[in-house]
Amino acid sequence: AQKITQTQPGMFVQEKEAVTLDCTYDTSDPSYGLFWYKQPSSGEMIFLIYQGSYDQQNATEGRYSLNFQKARKSANLVISASQLGDSAMYFCAMREPYAGNNRKLIWGLGTSLAVNP
Amino acid sequence: DGGITQSPKYLFRKEGQNVTLSCEQNLNHDAMYWYRQDPGQGLRLIYYSQIVNDFQKGDIAEGYSVSREKKESFPLTVTSAQKNPTAFYLCASEGYRELFFGEGSRLTVL
Repeated sequence: AQKITQTQPGMFVQEKEAVTLDCTYDTSDPSYGLFWYKQPSSGEMIFLIYQGSYDQQNATEGRYSLNFQKARKSANLVISASQLGDSAMYFCAMREPYAGNNRKLIWGLGTSLAVNP
Repeated sequence: DGGITQSPKYLFRKEGQNVTLSCEQNLNHDAMYWYRQDPGQGLRLIYYSQIVNDFQKGDIAEGYSVSREKKESFPLTVTSAQKNPTAFYLCASEGYRELFFGEGSRLTVL
């Protein structure tokens, strides 16, 4: 069963405006980590931000912030003051807790963001 | 600069040929991963290695093989047994928390 859901295949935003990219997840374990990655057209995956399930505050990294709503199992990425260089695919991922030697990320299908000048 | 280097960036293969994708890291990370990415899909795990001389199958290991003889290197071989190998392949190593990725290798079967 898919555990990470990104419901927005594509989004548009005007330059300098804020945009929210949605991510919902499903897990029964109380300990987990949530990640957002950016993938520009060059292909490299770039780490943006991390939220641990026990973190008391929402994570922030520069223009990126994570709207973490644990009860609703959502971890939306907010990009403030969008720039043209923000145009890319954005992926939400969840790290499952350790299960023996099995340690991996579960990935969503991504959201394509286009920033308009 | 520290990072992950994948080569080649683009690779063309004839059906029935094995090809090897290179992945080298100088981040001194123990764990390394290979992912496959197809259009419209998320990343799918092929193989991962937590330590030298040890590796584990991921979700889609059939038709692929790996080795981990050195900490810095984790090459992926796409064998002729892989029926649909045309895809974008990403290698990553794991830091304290997040994964660090290479720029990827795009394999096309002619």
